[in-house]
Amino acid sequence: ILNVEQSPQSLHVQEGDSTNFTCSFPSSNFYALHWYRWETAKSPEALFVMTLNGDEKKKGRISATLNTKEGYSYLYIKGSQPEDSATYLCAPLMDSNYQLIWGAGTKLIIKP
Amino acid sequence: SQTIHQWPATLVQPVGSPLSLECTVEGTSNPNLYWYRQAAGRGLQLLFYSVGIGQISSEVPQNLSASRPQDRQFILSSKKLLLSDSGFYLCAWKRPDRESNQPQHFGDGTRLSIL
Repeated sequence: ILNVEQSPQSLHVQEGDSTNFTCSFPSSNFYALHWYRWETAKSPEALFVMTLNGDEKKKGRISATLNTKEGYSYLYIKGSQPEDSATYLCAPLMDSNYQLIWGAGTKLIIKP
Repeated sequence: SQTIHQWPATLVQPVGSPLSLECTVEGTSNPNLYWYRQAAGRGLQLLFYSVGIGQISSEVPQNLSASRPQDRQFILSSKKLLLSDSGFYLCAWKRPDRESNQPQHFGDGTRLSIL
């Protein structure tokens, strides 16, 4: 069974502060890593798809890094805003079956 | 542009009743299609995926089934619902497997409550 761990499980951050959280995944047979944002009462929305070791992606105030050799990715949010409140899901794609393996998510709550 | 439609948005069904959830995609051809479930307090669980008409792969043995009668139509069914089938069901699509680095795009989901 392939294990994907996201930490922390939940996070309260003051508006304006920056934050980051982690996704850990098996480093063998790695193909790609997906990050999604899931806001309450909406459907998950893709943020990034990353494939190369050392890859960095950025979308506005959100960025992500990838380390495929040690099996982790960080998601950073700079200057958190209330609209950033959501659950952030990571899902590696392993080349063993080419299906996403979903983490349980990090629930981010921005306090005004 | 591509769109995905999933219905109904909410559904309340008695135990033992049948189920049919439908998902359709517009604006793309031969998409990969997925059914997920999120049980209360848990992450996304892949139920079924399909890479083409009539091609269904099941990830989790259960009393649910899926069908793909047309290229852009994906249906989730059950003959007899169980209490444990309650949850939030999401349909998703992705460009075909040869473009594996593409993200998945989700429908708005169906909240299913079994009484």
